[in-house]
Amino acid sequence: GEDVEQSLFLSVREGDSSVINCTYTDSSSTYLYWYKQEPGAGLQLLTYIFSNMDMKQDQRLTVLLNKKDKHLSLRIADTQTGDSAIYFCADISGNTGKLIFGQGTTLQVKP
Amino acid sequence: GAGVSQSPSNKVTEKGKDVELRCDPISGHTALYWYRQRLGQGLEFLIYFQGNSAPDKSGLPSDRFSAERTGESVSTLTIQRTQQEDSAVYLCASSPSSGSWDEQFFGPGTRLTVL
Repeated sequence: GEDVEQSLFLSVREGDSSVINCTYTDSSSTYLYWYKQEPGAGLQLLTYIFSNMDMKQDQRLTVLLNKKDKHLSLRIADTQTGDSAIYFCADISGNTGKLIFGQGTTLQVKP
Repeated sequence: GAGVSQSPSNKVTEKGKDVELRCDPISGHTALYWYRQRLGQGLEFLIYFQGNSAPDKSGLPSDRFSAERTGESVSTLTIQRTQQEDSAVYLCASSPSSGSWDEQFFGPGTRLTVL
């Protein structure tokens, strides 16, 4: 079945860029998503990319998609302590709307 | 309220008891999803409802799990004869439809602890 994999932990200094990587197996994925989960808060959609795009930029966030290698990354520029959270990569299963999530990457931002 | 709500926020139960978890989706959202998040892991899909269509139950881990939805409103996830491995956060999400691009809005979750 479909699978989504992420590295589990990333630590950066405040002001640096963070890059969170994700690989997926479903070649028919139409959309890929990044969700953010903060302690005590619900899961929040951060950004998404359509599969016919290579890159999407949204303020401090840049999403890169390499469809050939089935590799997705999220770059956060000028990382702040408020960016500390767990980041989940997800793709859509077929056209059902079911999200397939990675294990989540814990981003730790040190002052 | 404007968002997805879930109740209870926390539930502690003894092994073997039945539990019911409730989800109130955003009004007007026809699609509703249940996911499970075990400690330190990503979310696993459990079941989804789309309008009056038969629900997709392909993610339910065993026949102890069932879910119902009344029309396009409230949904209840029931776990019978709970086991310790059922301990997790159960998250509900709703979206305007089940199209591949329709943002899913997540509730805060119910943390279930089975002793």
